[in-house]
This record gives sequence, structure tokens and C-alpha cells, in this order.
Amino acid sequence: GAVVSQHPSWVICKSGTSVKIECRSLDFQATTMFWYRQFPKQSLMLMATSNEGSKATYEQGVEKDKFLINHASLTLSTLTVTSAHPEDSSFYICSGPTSGYNEQFFGPGTRLTVL
Amino acid sequence: SQQGEEDPQALSIQEGENATMNCSYKTSINNLQWYRQNSGRGLVHLILIRSNEREKHSGRLRVTLDTSKKSSSLLITASRAADTASYFCATDVNTNAGKSTFGDGTTLTVKP
Repeated sequence: GAVVSQHPSWVICKSGTSVKIECRSLDFQATTMFWYRQFPKQSLMLMATSNEGSKATYEQGVEKDKFLINHASLTLSTLTVTSAHPEDSSFYICSGPTSGYNEQFFGPGTRLTVL
Repeated sequence: SQQGEEDPQALSIQEGENATMNCSYKTSINNLQWYRQNSGRGLVHLILIRSNEREKHSGRLRVTLDTSKKSSSLLITASRAADTASYFCATDVNTNAGKSTFGDGTTLTVKP
């Protein structure tokens, strides 16, 4: 199957700082990528849809000014958590659909810990 | 709210036994996928079953889909300790959007 990478795999930061997470599709082009958040012992919740060349679409309750998404190219989407707080500590996972949107391929996730 | 609900929430079995997890969803789907997640790790794709399919097999995995009941089941036969993980179903409700909506997950523990 297709490969999606994320960087970094884990990050620890101080409260108030911003953290950028990269999501790359390594062997396919993705005009659309999805960002999910997973709190401990919970399921994945879709945060936003990243669209190459246009603004991201955010799910209800997700602050677009706090979670900045930039889909810079057909293989790269970035999520920046701005002014991070301890409650933003979570596991962030991106995914990219294949053409035809029949399958999703998920990145390995980034664990963010905000002190 | 989540599209899918899974039961049981937690399942503990002995190695060699079969494990069955169920997933129910609310709206019509195009396909349903099962994923495994080891603690603190990313998702591993197990099986995709399309809305016009009723059953699929992959190794020790068997997935069924009943669109009339809006439910799916994942059967793991002859379980192994390495199967210990959380299992999620995810539905694609709109092919054009391609978004996956996840169930709450079942935590499976296989005791050696």
C-alpha cells in the first residue's frame, strides 16, 4: 500500500510555543489529506481536511487559528499547533486517500506533549 | 458524534481462542475498513470491505458486512499474544470527501 510519513514522531514543548507537524505522502500525490487527533484511550477524531492550493476545511469545534494547516504541495501537508497548551497534548495522525478515495493510508502519528 | 460504535469496548481472551468484534454505524456507507493500533502507535490497515460485499478474508481475519443492519464484524481466529491491540472500524460515508469516521474501538488482550 501507499506510504505516508510524519515528522516528528514525538515532540515535547513548553506551553505557549508553536509546533509544526509534517505529513508527507511518499509514493503518491494527494490533493487532499486529513488530520486526526486521538486522546489517550479514545478514538480518532477528524480535525480538518487539508486541500492542496486552497484553504483547509475544519470540523466543528476545531479552531482554525489554533491549528494552522498548509498544504504546500501534492506530497506535503503541515499542521501547526500555535500557542500550545497542555490540553493540546495528543496523538496527531494524518492520512491521505488514494485516487478515487477508496482507501486511506495513515501516517505513523506524532505524539505531542505540552508541558 | 462518532459514526461508529464498537462492542465490546474491551475483550480479553486466551491465546488460540477466536476474537469477535462488532461495529455498528448510522448512515449509508461506501466502504468500511478495519484498523489495528498498538499502544501509542499509528494505525495498521487490516481489511477494506465495500458496501456491495458481504464477507472478506485475509489470513486469520474475517470481516462481514450487513448493510441492512448497518453493522460489521471482525473475527480473528486462533489468536496470538501479538494480536493484543486496539481495533477500530472506520467508514467512508462520502466517496468524494474520502473522510473516514472512526468507531470507538475495541481493546483486545490476548493472554499467552
